[in-house]
Amino acid sequence: DTEVTQTPKHLVMGMTNKKSLKCEQHMGHRAMYWYKQKAKKPPELMFVYSYEKLSINESVPSRFSPECPNSSLLNLHLHALQPEDSALYLCASSKGQGDSYNSPLHFGNGTRLTVT
Amino acid sequence: GENVEQHPSTLSVQEGDSAVIKCTYSDSASNYFPWYKQELGKGPQLIIDIRSNVGEKKDQRIAVTLNKTAKHFSLHITETQPEDSAVYFCAASIHYKLSFGAGTTVTVRA
Repeated sequence: DTEVTQTPKHLVMGMTNKKSLKCEQHMGHRAMYWYKQKAKKPPELMFVYSYEKLSINESVPSRFSPECPNSSLLNLHLHALQPEDSALYLCASSKGQGDSYNSPLHFGNGTRLTVT
Repeated sequence: GENVEQHPSTLSVQEGDSAVIKCTYSDSASNYFPWYKQELGKGPQLIIDIRSNVGEKKDQRIAVTLNKTAKHFSLHITETQPEDSAVYFCAASIHYKLSFGAGTTVTVRA
């Protein structure tokens, strides 16, 4: 079982809805990531938090809003999404940002999001 | 940025045979090369990784080789079993960013 827990597992939302995805890890990792994965494609990096501060935003549209309330939790707030935003959203963590040489990424099982 | 190419895109093997997946990368500064296995409905799971100061690493039926001069690395799975059926992603890392290959769908025929 993965040590990165994501909820919900599945989410269906309309284009006018507001919803949030949640991620939790208890490995003491200080870097947390959001990735987006479309069917039959590799994960694409969206955001990186390092020590609870947003350090990387890969030019993600503002309808996606990340939040890191503490070192164990990561949220992704969704608002006014488009059908093309339907995808698997993966959370990951590592010991430290910029330290993949010494600290691999651990992924959760993702939230399958469908925008109608 | 880093560009990782992965081949083949699909691979079908008979149970008990070996499977080999190959990746090439473009940026010589990449220093960390993980392999992830993704089963249906799950997130990618790290199965083995190799760092740039090592040429080969083995963990039971799985091995990875790295050729820094040629900028390519490979995953070898021996004695394949049905549970090895999944999508496998290679990746190359510089600092925080993992650049993934396009993935290989491996099917192990019983």
